[in-house]
Amino acid sequence: GESVGLHLPTLSVQEGDNSIINCAYSNSASDYFIWYKQESGKGPQFIIDIRSNMDKRQGQRVTVLLNKTVKHLSLQIAATQPGDSAVYFCAENISSGTASKLTFGTGTRLQVTL
Amino acid sequence: DAGITQSPRHKVTETGTPVTLRCHQTENHRYMYWYRQDPGHGLRLIHYSYGVKDTDKGEVSDGYSVSRSKTEDFLLTLESATSSQTSVYFCAISESWENGYTFGSGTRLTVV
Repeated sequence: GESVGLHLPTLSVQEGDNSIINCAYSNSASDYFIWYKQESGKGPQFIIDIRSNMDKRQGQRVTVLLNKTVKHLSLQIAATQPGDSAVYFCAENISSGTASKLTFGTGTRLQVTL
Repeated sequence: DAGITQSPRHKVTETGTPVTLRCHQTENHRYMYWYRQDPGHGLRLIHYSYGVKDTDKGEVSDGYSVSRSKTEDFLLTLESATSSQTSVYFCAISESWENGYTFGSGTRLTVV
């Protein structure tokens, strides 16, 4: 499949452990944030989102935390599984005039070891 | 991905030739986007559309043009392909700004 990043930061986690992937965003005016998962050869897939009026949001096995003071976003994956191995991107929404536009981070590769 | 298809999936073309990539959706979403993905750069926005015949530039629009003559199709054209446009191109759709994007499977373009 396509290489999404030859020199991505990599997080290696043992199966069953919890994973925490961090992201610093750039624009203090961003009002909506999303985490995407991208497997090799595929397009990014929506995982979870959070709006700027929230600090935390939980999904199935995933939790997103937002700290607007330091412009930091994190994705927590509970009981990490081999199928979680992928590249994870955070994205921030910046609304301007005609449409909102997502700006993506460069990604973090999650490797799950058995 | 359900509801959004990109064509072709792979293409090799020569420098200086025109290339058109197609994004087709069956979701009737208003917003459509073209991104390129390169190692070390993540996904960067090329152009987007907020309705039929309504398009605007993204952060890396030089050398690209787009057209949207109907809701379901968003075309990306490289008028004269260059080697720097070798990349994986993703189309995305969105119902509104309050929703995340749904991405297509991508087109790998190689300019030789």
